Amino acid sequence: KQEVTQIPAALSVPEGENLVLNCSFTDSAIYNLQWFRQDPGKGLTSLLLIQSSQREQTSGRLNASLDKSSGRSTLYIAASQPGDSATYLCAVLAGGTSYGKLTFGQGTILTVHP
Amino acid sequence: KAGVTQTPRYLIKTRGQQVTLSCSPISGHRSVSWYQQTPGQGLQFLFEYFSETQRNKGNFPGRFSGRQFSNSRSEMNVSTLELGDSALYLCASSSGTLAAGSETQYFGPGTRLLVL
Repeated sequence: KQEVTQIPAALSVPEGENLVLNCSFTDSAIYNLQWFRQDPGKGLTSLLLIQSSQREQTSGRLNASLDKSSGRSTLYIAASQPGDSATYLCAVLAGGTSYGKLTFGQGTILTVHP
Repeated sequence: KAGVTQTPRYLIKTRGQQVTLSCSPISGHRSVSWYQQTPGQGLQFLFEYFSETQRNKGNFPGRFSGRQFSNSRSEMNVSTLELGDSALYLCASSSGTLAAGSETQYFGPGTRLLVL
């Protein structure tokens, strides 16, 4: 059974800091790993998707890496801003007939204070 | 291109009642997945539909069911509601036809269900 763990559970940083969020998964047989952002009471916004054959993806100030063999991914946020405050979730799409089934971590609650 | 829409956005029911939630995917998307989000259990997969067929199902009791129509819109139904069914219910859509590894799921805003 695939399990996804995110560390830390919460993070509070001053504006401008670079930060790293961690995600680990137990079964390396995945199709992809995705990072999402969720604002309070809202749905999920996709940030980055890394296919199993890729090592990293970048979008603006965000960079996500994937090490499938060790079951780890990191999300790097450069020059953090108060608007980055949200819950960040990682999710894996397992191999086989896992149609549409993302397995999520519990999330990291990020607070960026001015 | 319009995003994923869910109706209603908020719902209050009492124990024992049943409820139906609706999800309209992004135009052209044929796959719809449903998730339940609670503070204790986080996000958990309910089921996935593609072209009116359920292709995958999570570990939820039979009180939770769904269906998909020919226009790809999907509904989920929960019968005999329990207090523990209070949650944010999210649906996500994708084309369902690309190679699985390359496809992002796009989420709707969710329906918040409160069971009293």
